[in-house]
Amino acid sequence: DVKVTQSSRYLVKRTGEKVFLECVQDMDHENMFWYRQDPGLGLRLIYFSYDVKMKEKGDIPEGYSVSREKKERFSLILESASTNQTSMYLCASSLGGAAYEQYFGPGTRLTVT
Amino acid sequence: KNEVEQSPQNLTAQEGEFITINCSYSVGISALHWLQQHPGGGIVSLFMLSSGKKKHGRLIATINIQEKHSSLHITASHPRDSAVYICAVSPNYGGSQGNLIFGKGTKLSVKP
Repeated sequence: DVKVTQSSRYLVKRTGEKVFLECVQDMDHENMFWYRQDPGLGLRLIYFSYDVKMKEKGDIPEGYSVSREKKERFSLILESASTNQTSMYLCASSLGGAAYEQYFGPGTRLTVT
Repeated sequence: KNEVEQSPQNLTAQEGEFITINCSYSVGISALHWLQQHPGGGIVSLFMLSSGKKKHGRLIATINIQEKHSSLHITASHPRDSAVYICAVSPNYGGSQGNLIFGKGTKLSVKP
């Protein structure tokens, strides 16, 4: 069974704080993804990575950065959290390209006050 | 215009009813995915298909590539089927690395 875990289910941070969201997968997957999910907007891709130290911007990368130092771990960083980054953040991983399923983590609900 | 459109946005059904959720897309795809999200956040993959039809228990997914349309059917619906169902496509244009384009989801509520 593929397992994707995220470091926190709920997180409350103050405006201007640096925030780290961690994601770990245990199936040696090549690709990892960070999404945010907002009511009425659905899931939107922030960043993805197709290999260690490789990253690509998604649809909404502004205000975020990522790090993938090891294959199993993909971190999302909010350099200076803002209230408009309050959202549900979901991590996913997949074995490879378009022909593979994505496996999702449980999500982190981040509130920035 | 969104590249992936789902209908309806919200659906309420009585237990036992046959349910259909529709998904239309406007891009070339390698595959189409149906995902389920229960309250609390976790998303699970129900189906990935690129042609024809797949069945798993009471769930059936079909796709018509020529018409760029897919349907998810639930037979003999049950309150535990209450969830958000999300259609997503893997686009086949160059540079895609397994990215998905998501529909906004269909919120299903099945009443006992």
